[in-house]
Amino acid sequence: DAKTTQPNSMESNEEEPVHLPCNHSTISGTDYIHWYRQLPSQGPEYVIHGLTSNVNNRMASLAIAEDRKSSTLILHRATLRDAAVYYCILSNPSYSGAGSYQLTFGKGTKLSVIP
Amino acid sequence: DAGVTQSPTHLIKTRGQHVTLRCSPISGHKSVSWYQQVLGQGPQFIFQYYEKEERGRGNFPDRFSARQFPNYSSELNVNALLLGDSALYLCASSLAGGDRTQYFGPGTRLLVL
Repeated sequence: DAKTTQPNSMESNEEEPVHLPCNHSTISGTDYIHWYRQLPSQGPEYVIHGLTSNVNNRMASLAIAEDRKSSTLILHRATLRDAAVYYCILSNPSYSGAGSYQLTFGKGTKLSVIP
Repeated sequence: DAGVTQSPTHLIKTRGQHVTLRCSPISGHKSVSWYQQVLGQGPQFIFQYYEKEERGRGNFPDRFSARQFPNYSSELNVNALLLGDSALYLCASSLAGGDRTQYFGPGTRLLVL
């Protein structure tokens, strides 16, 4: 499986933008880039995903490098509720057979937000 | 709309016992996946079921089994519990087996003594 590399931890001041980096130098042409986050004592929560183009949704933006070997999750204004572990995950829909798709989590980046 | 629900929320068992964990997916979702999350680590994939068939299996021993029912709910069974099975067990549902977005429940925290 293609692997991702993320910093163990990052800090941000409240109401400032946050850029969470992810390296995935062995990404294949059909791998999608997913971001999930896990707040304390909760299950992971979907944030955003993309293939080649930058993506925006109400939670965040995903900037994907032209060579796809890295990506950045952007939180435009960090709030205290954004303090969580953020996971960058690659997925290939053909893994393990037709219709099967699993998420392979790493350790993620623990984001702390300072008031 | 209700999200993914799991029961029980917490469970304490002793070594050698058997445990059954339950999951109800979001209404309309036909795929359920199970993950194990040991403290300090990211979740690890155990199983995926779609339309009541196993579609994926992670690197877990045969003591772990699961099934999906006609209403798309699912059970995860673990036999002969070991201390190392202590973890948060997460269930995730998605619209179809190849859907890229998975929605996770709050998990069942299992402690094996």
